[in-house]
Amino acid sequence: VTLLEQNPRWRLVPRGQAVNLRCILKNSQYPWMSWYQQDLQKQLQWLFTLRSPGDKEVKSLPGADYLATRVTDTELRLQVANMSQGRTLYCTCSAGLGGLTGQLYFGEGSKLTVL
Amino acid sequence: GDSVTQTEGQVTVSESKSLIINCTYSATSIAYPNLFWYVRYPGEGLQLLLKVITAGQKGSSRGFEATYNKETTSFHLQKASVQESDSAVYYCALTPGTGGYKVVFGSGTRLL
Repeated sequence: VTLLEQNPRWRLVPRGQAVNLRCILKNSQYPWMSWYQQDLQKQLQWLFTLRSPGDKEVKSLPGADYLATRVTDTELRLQVANMSQGRTLYCTCSAGLGGLTGQLYFGEGSKLTVL
Repeated sequence: GDSVTQTEGQVTVSESKSLIINCTYSATSIAYPNLFWYVRYPGEGLQLLLKVITAGQKGSSRGFEATYNKETTSFHLQKASVQESDSAVYYCALTPGTGGYKVVFGSGTRLL
């Protein structure tokens, strides 16, 4: 059973252009939604965890700037800007914080390539 | 900060031979983190393989097992007899025991 639906799955991004990603949660039992990035060296890195509708966070990392928004209980968005290197963004969900609930369920990822 | 180290980027094991994938961790935010192994099979998404939240305990799944060793801060993944279907990328990971939500991943080990 798929818990998360990510789109787009792939995107070619002209240098300097921002891209918007979307993640839809299919099961409300796992309300803690997060974004992780995987760089070209395959290192997975946590970006954000947003629990409540209206939550927003920004972050600048080497190679990209991010703005994450929890739109509703079932929708998480991520804007990726100023991307200089390709990467894959994964949406995840979990039942809660810590312990067994630290187990993550991953979406299929959104692979971004810089043109 | 917390970190997870997987020293091998790739390991090659013949079918029916034994496997060990090394993982060590450093947890500065908490003494005893929760430890996980995730796996990505070809063409599939990342998924949990096994987890252990108590130091000294062993977790197992699909013939794989890993023991939480707090003395050596290690969580090596082992399998007695590897099958072709085990070819995948394996990631060791940790989370803080309470109140934390960030999962810290190792760099992954590809099993051929």
